[in-house]
Amino acid sequence: EAGVAQSPRYKIIEKRQSVAFWCNPISGHATLYWYQQILGQGPKLLIQFQNNGVVDDSQLPKDRFSAERLKGVDSTLKIQPAKLEDSAVYLCASSSADRHTRGYTFGSGTRLTVV
Amino acid sequence: TQLLEQSPQFLSIQEGENLTVYCNSSSVFSSLQWYRQEPGEGPVLLVTVVTGGEVKKLKRLTFQFGDARKDSSLHITAAQPGDTGLYLCAGPLSNSGYALNFGKGTSLLVTP
Repeated sequence: EAGVAQSPRYKIIEKRQSVAFWCNPISGHATLYWYQQILGQGPKLLIQFQNNGVVDDSQLPKDRFSAERLKGVDSTLKIQPAKLEDSAVYLCASSSADRHTRGYTFGSGTRLTVV
Repeated sequence: TQLLEQSPQFLSIQEGENLTVYCNSSSVFSSLQWYRQEPGEGPVLLVTVVTGGEVKKLKRLTFQFGDARKDSSLHITAAQPGDTGLYLCAGPLSNSGYALNFGKGTSLLVTP
């Protein structure tokens, strides 16, 4: 089966600019996650979708970050305006109902550098 | 808040050596998962442990879940350069839709 697709792979922007990331999960996976991974750390959950509804966005900095999954398939994550500390890899993952045994499938991520 | 503490943070060994990495928490988890992440890629699931005291083997990798389901270990026998990567443990958080919470990982380098 095709994996989780993410684009772009790399992005360099200046602080205060905006940026958007796109994710296409595995077909049939109802749950989609966005994680932020800062260099030297493990992934940190930003937002979790179940179909097109938000399950948890408690760690999403809502003053600058937004995410949507309008049709319950693809998702976009936006940052506006970006700060230097947003430099990180943004990982998208999806899972099926038995995620606690089959785990998550991650995309390769988007590496964001804010200068 | 990081509920999963992993140690050591970095490990550099030579091919053929054995090693163990640890994942500890003060919280009880219904299950724990181990992932390996290579540079420029997303984490890939290695194993899920569910039962306290459970031991699972994946070729040269042995995973153990603590009796109290608060800790886990990963032992690699006769490490190879292909084992190089970031090893992450993760467990579901009941207060976040059961999304996975990850530790900071152990970065392993195996040199020939």
